[in-house]
Amino acid sequence: NAGVTQTPKFRVLKTGQSMTLLCAQDMNHEYMYWYRQDPGMGLRLIHYSVGEGTTAKGEVPDGYNVSRLKKQNFLLGLESAAPSQTSVYFCASSSTARREGQFFGPGTRLTVL
Amino acid sequence: GDSVTQMEGPVTLSEEAFLTINCTYTATGYPSLFWYVQYPGEGLQLLLKATKADDKGSNKGFEATYRKETTSFHLEKGSVQVSDSAVYFCALSRDDKIIFGKGTRLHILP
Repeated sequence: NAGVTQTPKFRVLKTGQSMTLLCAQDMNHEYMYWYRQDPGMGLRLIHYSVGEGTTAKGEVPDGYNVSRLKKQNFLLGLESAAPSQTSVYFCASSSTARREGQFFGPGTRLTVL
Repeated sequence: GDSVTQMEGPVTLSEEAFLTINCTYTATGYPSLFWYVQYPGEGLQLLLKATKADDKGSNKGFEATYRKETTSFHLEKGSVQVSDSAVYFCALSRDDKIIFGKGTRLHILP
């Protein structure tokens, strides 16, 4: 039981390049989330999904897109990376956010030059 | 809107000291409350939770009580260890999401 896994762990991009971050969970959770973590800013929600085939915007969705084609996977895409997107990205999943809390992946450290 | 406010760090203590990290919240209704811990280079881990007023969550020697009258969920530990050095996040549930505080960095000196 791997829990929540994220691929890749590290990535360096040049401004304007695109990439996709992959999140996978093996706990059969309905809900999945993408956050970014920046110094002094805590965690900010980018997008989330309440089930296969659904997505919704979070607090800071601009410049990102997501897809949830399979229940166990949640993809985060950057179409044209900008230096402001340099951050650590965390994926999380939960059965019900209200009572059980969320389970987090180990994070992806992204640097945009 | 709903929000979580926690004490700013860093908090520096000596080993075996008593720990309190304050957390207050603003919310409508009756959210669940959580404390998460993040060790260096890792993701967040759920430390403890409480789902209704007067509930006490506990784990690994840490405790927090859901106080509706003071809208607080302070984290406490009687005797901290060097291995407790980490960032601690207070959080509340809201609909399909969780709202996090900004985190409190804790340093424990041997």
